[in-house]
Amino acid sequence: DTGVSQDPRHKITKRGQNVTFRCDPISEHNRLYWYRQTLGQGPEFLTYFQNEAQLEKSRLLSDRFSAERPKGSFSTLEIQRTEQGDSAMYLCASRIGTGSTGELFFGEGSRLTVL
Amino acid sequence: QKEVEQNSGPLSVPEGAIASLNCTYSDRVSQSFFWYRQYSGKSPELIMSIYSNGDKEDGRFTAQLNKASQYVSLLIRDSQPSDSATYLCASDQAGTALIFGKGTTLSVSS
Repeated sequence: DTGVSQDPRHKITKRGQNVTFRCDPISEHNRLYWYRQTLGQGPEFLTYFQNEAQLEKSRLLSDRFSAERPKGSFSTLEIQRTEQGDSAMYLCASRIGTGSTGELFFGEGSRLTVL
Repeated sequence: QKEVEQNSGPLSVPEGAIASLNCTYSDRVSQSFFWYRQYSGKSPELIMSIYSNGDKEDGRFTAQLNKASQYVSLLIRDSQPSDSATYLCASDQAGTALIFGKGTTLSVSS
C-alpha cells in the first residue's frame, strides 16, 4: 500500500495523559498536513509542513499541540495533557509540489477518545 | 480568518435527479477550489478541482466557479444512491493550507 499511513488508528486515553500520532505520507510528497475532524464538521486545519519546515500553524491550535517532521518524511503530532475536548479524528494528508493545485491525499485517520 | 461556507443539509434528492451543492468563500485571494466526498466513517477523497472561472465537467459531475461572487458549486447529474455522502468544499489560497467547509450531507433515495 503506497497511500498515506497513520498510526495508531484508535487511541483511548485518560484526561491529562500525553498522546502521539504518526503519519507516513506518500513517499514523493513533500507537503504534509494535519487536520482534526469532529462529528458533523469538516476537517479543521491544524498545521502544514513543506519538507521538514513547519510553514503554517492554525491560530486556534493550543500550545498543548506540537508537530514535527524531522527529516521531511514521516510526521508526528503530540498532544500533551489531553482534555475531553481533544476527542476527535486526527487526519493526516499529503500532496506533491509547491503551488495551489494538486490533490490532497488523506490517510484513514487516528481516532482519539479522551475519557 | 479564511472561511468556507456550505449549507449543512441534509439535501435529499430522488435517484436520477440533479443534486446541486453550493459553497462560498471569504478569501478573495483564493486561487484553487476542490470538492471532496466523504462517506461515513471514511476519509475524504477528491472528486473535482477547479482553478478558473466557468464550468468543469467530469462524467456526471460539473464544478462551477465564479471568483467575482466568491462562489463554487458542484452539480451531480443522474444521482445514484451510491452518491449519498458528505460533500466538502475546500479552498487553497497560495499552496499552503486547504480550508474546508463543514460539508453538505447528500441523501439519494432509490
